[in-house]
Amino acid sequence: EDQVTQSPEALRLQEGESSSLNCSYTVSGLRGLFWYRQDPGKGPEFLFTLYSAGEEKEKERLKATLTKKESFLHITAPKPEDSATYLCAVQGAPGSGYALNFGKGTSLLVTP
Amino acid sequence: DAGVTQSPTHLIKTRGQQVTLRCSPKSGHDTVSWYQQALGQGPQFIFQYYEEEERQRGNFPDRFSGHQFPNYSSELNVNALLLGDSALYLCASSWDRTTEAFFGQGTRLTVV
Repeated sequence: EDQVTQSPEALRLQEGESSSLNCSYTVSGLRGLFWYRQDPGKGPEFLFTLYSAGEEKEKERLKATLTKKESFLHITAPKPEDSATYLCAVQGAPGSGYALNFGKGTSLLVTP
Repeated sequence: DAGVTQSPTHLIKTRGQQVTLRCSPKSGHDTVSWYQQALGQGPQFIFQYYEEEERQRGNFPDRFSGHQFPNYSSELNVNALLLGDSALYLCASSWDRTTEAFFGQGTRLTVV
């Protein structure tokens, strides 16, 4: 059974203080790993898709990386508007369906 | 592009009642998936519709059913509501099931 574990559950950073969020996964064949940002009471907003180990993607202050067992979301010099819950999800290989299996998320608070 | 739209945004129902939630996918998308998100948890997959058929189902009882229309919009029906059905219900659309999923803003269902 696919499993996704995100850590830490909550993270508080000062503005400008860089850090990383972790997503560990076990899946019988990975089609894709997805990162989403979710603001309170809203639907998740798509950030990145990673398909193979060694792949990296960047968007503004965010950079996502992937290994065979985990993914990291690096946040460089965060701003208060980066405060949100960051969700990681995996999609298994063909034959296992197309559902996204989500972790519980990391709640990030960036203070001025 | 309006993105994924869901209606209603909020709903209050009584135990034992039935509810219907609606979703219009992002323009160009043909696949709709439904997720349930309890407070403090990641979204849980309910089912996915593609070409007007349920293609995959998560671990949810038969009280949860759905439909996809020829224009790719979708409905989620829940019968015999329980207090535990209170959650944020998210609709996600994608193209051909395999691409990244884009989420709507969700419907907040409260069962009293």
